[in-house]
Amino acid sequence: EVQLVESGGGLVQPGGSLRLSCAASGFTFSSSAMSWVRQAPGKGLEWVSAISGSDGRTYYADSVRGRFTISRDNSKNTLYLQMNNPRAEDTAFYYCAKEGGIPPWVDYWGQGALVTVSS
Amino acid sequence: QSVLTQPPSVSGAPGQRVTISCSGSSSNIGAGYDVHWYQQLPGTAPKLLIYANINRPSGVPDRFSGSKSGTSASLAITGLQAEDEADYYCQSFDSRSAWVFGGGTKLTVL
Repeated sequence: EVQLVESGGGLVQPGGSLRLSCAASGFTFSSSAMSWVRQAPGKGLEWVSAISGSDGRTYYADSVRGRFTISRDNSKNTLYLQMNNPRAEDTAFYYCAKEGGIPPWVDYWGQGALVTVSS
Repeated sequence: QSVLTQPPSVSGAPGQRVTISCSGSSSNIGAGYDVHWYQQLPGTAPKLLIYANINRPSGVPDRFSGSKSGTSASLAITGLQAEDEADYYCQSFDSRSAWVFGGGTKLTVL
C-alpha cells in the first residue's frame, strides 16, 4: 500500500524558514518522480515543485522559485521542501504527491501538512 | 485566476447525472496534453478519480467517466449518490506554466 506521510508543518514568521518532510513507503521511491502541491485554506490546488526520480532534476512554480528548494533522500525514502523567506501568501496545506505518467498527474497524495506564515 | 476554467458549483438530485466542464486553451488541453480529475471530500486530501482523460484507477466506480475534446474536457457522474458530494478538480499540463489546475467545482447532492 502506498503511503505518503508529511511532517514539519507549523507556524513560521515571514522571512523565516521551515522544512517539510514526506516519508514514502509502498513503492519504489528512488525511481518515482515526486511533487509538492499546496492548497490555501478554502482555495484551489496549486502545484509548487517537482523532482524527478532518476536524475533529481527539479522544477518550480514561478511563485516559489528562488525561495523554496525541493530535494530527496532516496536512502531514506524521504522527500523534502525547504521553504526560505516565506510570505503570508504561502500559508496553505502542503501535500506530498507521487507522480504517475508523463506529462505527470498525481496518483497518490499525502494527508497534507499545514504551514501558516504569520508574525 | 486559474489557467483551466471550471464552474464553481454544480448540483443534482440522487440518481441523476451531472457533468463538470474544464475549459483550457491551445497551450494546454488544446495542445494535446491529457486531463486528469481529482475528488476532494470535505476535510480530506484529494484523490485521483480519472487519469489520461478517460481512465479510472482501480476502485473508482464506473459511475465516473471522463472525456476530452478540443480545448475542453468533462467529468460525468451518473447515478449520483450522497457520498459524491465533494470538490472536483481538473488538471493538465501547460507548455508555458507546467502543471495547471482548474479552480475546482463544488458538487452538491440535493
